Parts: sequence; C-alpha cells; structure tokens
Amino acid sequence: GQNIDQPTEMTATEGAIVQINCTYQTSGFNGLFWYQQHAGEAPTFLSYNVLDGLEEKGRFSSFLSRSKGYSYLLLKELQMKDSASYLCAVDTNAGKSTFGDGTTLTVKP
Amino acid sequence: GAVVSQHPSWVICKSGTSVKIECRSLDFQATTMFWYRQFPKQSLMLMATSNEGSKATYEQGVEKDKFLINHASLTLSTLTVTSAHPEDSSFYICSSKRTSSYEQYFGPGTRLTVT
Repeated sequence: GQNIDQPTEMTATEGAIVQINCTYQTSGFNGLFWYQQHAGEAPTFLSYNVLDGLEEKGRFSSFLSRSKGYSYLLLKELQMKDSASYLCAVDTNAGKSTFGDGTTLTVKP
Repeated sequence: GAVVSQHPSWVICKSGTSVKIECRSLDFQATTMFWYRQFPKQSLMLMATSNEGSKATYEQGVEKDKFLINHASLTLSTLTVTSAHPEDSSFYICSSKRTSSYEQYFGPGTRLTVT
C-alpha cells in the first residue's frame, strides 16, 4: 500500500523559517513532489527531488533521503502569502502521483 | 509554462442529473491526463488516468460507470458525473503530463455542488 505522512497544521511567524516534514512508504518511487495549494485553487508545483540531498530554489528548499523515506520542505523569510496547504506527493509508477493529506501552514504577523 | 483549462469552474446541479467537466491542455498535446477529486480539507485523490484513444484506467473504488471519462483528442479530456448525488459534491481537478516529463500541469479545478 501507499502511506504518506505529513503534519496536519503548522503555524509560523512572518520572516521566520519553517520546515514541513514528509515521510513515505510506497510500493514504487521515482521522485517526490512538493506543491503549494491555496484554498479553492489547484496545486502549483514547487519542487521535484529524485536524488538524495538538498535542492534550493529561492526562498524554498526541498530535501530528500530515499533510504529513510523522508523529505522536507524548508520555507525561509516567511511572508503572509505563504499561508497555504503544502502537499507532499510521491511519483510512484506509470506517471501517477500519490498525495499526502497536506500541511496547512498559517503565517502570523 | 504549460496551461491547462477546465470548464466550468463551478457548477450546481440537482440530484439525479449528469454533469460534464472539460479539461483542455492548451500548450501541448497530452497523451495522458489525470482526474482527481478533493474533499474539503483533504488531499487530492486520483480517480482515473485518461489515455488518448483508449479506455481510462480507474483507481480502486472509483465506479467507472458513474464517472465517465472520454479522451477524444490529444488536447481534451472530459469527465461526466452521471446520476449525481450530494456526496459527489467535491472539487474536481484535472492535470496533463508530457510523455517525456515528470511534471504534471494542473487545471484550475471545478467545484461541483449537488443539491
């Protein structure tokens, strides 16, 4: 079966740094996605990790450890507009993705 | 970047009627498109994989006779919710994917409310 776990909710302060963790156990693994989703909108792509290590893209970074079945999304210099749900998704096979339940991040002033 | 459109963006229908949702890949020809459903405060659940020119592949637990998928061209896939019930009320999202790429491009979603 497929199991992807991430915290349900997180709260952080504007300007701070927050790390959203994701652990997975899946029957196949090609890579791991992170998406941002604002309420009532479709997800937008943030990152895709295939190899172990940290990939940085502006204020957002994503880390992957395949041996540990673990990833995290790091958001720096938080802004109010970063309040959203963050979805971890595993690219399993045949081009299909399995999504975690998402982490709702609230950024407070 | 690639653009995927959905129509309608929201729809209200009466119980027992059918509703068709269109998903168009505007920037590239998509041999594969995906249909997801998302209930409030829950994540995306893959319903089916739509393959151009062949039958859709449905995920376990999704009734293929209730959720009809047609991928008639390389730029258009449709999802028809037949005999809709209030429990079908949800946010339906499609995505398209290039054959050679890992990235999915999501449509803006369709909010379905069945009364």
